Amino acid sequence: DTAVSQTPKYLVTQMGNDKSIKCEQNLGHDTMYWYKQDSKKFLKIMFSYNNKELIINETVPNRFSPKSPDKAHLNLHINSLELGDSAVYFCASSQGPRSPLHFGNGTRLTVT
Amino acid sequence: SQKIEQNSEALNIQEGKTATLTCNYTNYSPAYLQWYRQDPGRGPVFLLLIRENEKEKRKERLKVTFDTTLKQSLFHITASQPADSATYLCALEAGGYNKLIFGAGTRLAVHP
Repeated sequence: DTAVSQTPKYLVTQMGNDKSIKCEQNLGHDTMYWYKQDSKKFLKIMFSYNNKELIINETVPNRFSPKSPDKAHLNLHINSLELGDSAVYFCASSQGPRSPLHFGNGTRLTVT
Repeated sequence: SQKIEQNSEALNIQEGKTATLTCNYTNYSPAYLQWYRQDPGRGPVFLLLIRENEKEKRKERLKVTFDTTLKQSLFHITASQPADSATYLCALEAGGYNKLIFGAGTRLAVHP
């Protein structure tokens, strides 16, 4: 059973389009995250939700909107995609503060 | 400004030797530090967590040290094996609700 699953694994789209990435975790964790890994391999936190409530919102363009319908799901919607949005996006979950993150295997987004 | 630095060069070692990876940070006072392993095309996988009041943590062939005076963590893999080849990431708690900031990672290659 996959603990944190993301779909799709690959996403190729054109500038200006709107796309969504879905994430689900079956670990029973309360907290979920979105991270972005750029071409230099830096993992940067974007958002975090705890029990469906937004608790971390880093400096991310408002074209990015997370949505958490329940504590097992955290989706990422991106409007008006730009070339610079090309990266690998990772979803993660954790039990709570000061606990390890469990990552999905990423969604590679390519904007052409 | 806050910064996390890991050996930017790849580390090449012979099988059976001990690999030592370094994580230095500035302008943080993390309550804990975590190490993750990342394989190509996969999400990071948690390895070890060490708290600010702990000097050392071990798990099988892995050992982590945390020196809050030097602002440094060392990650050791003893009796290294080719299967240990991967990128290793350190991550600091940077305030907020389990907000982790990651280093760029060090790529380790263990040669038979």
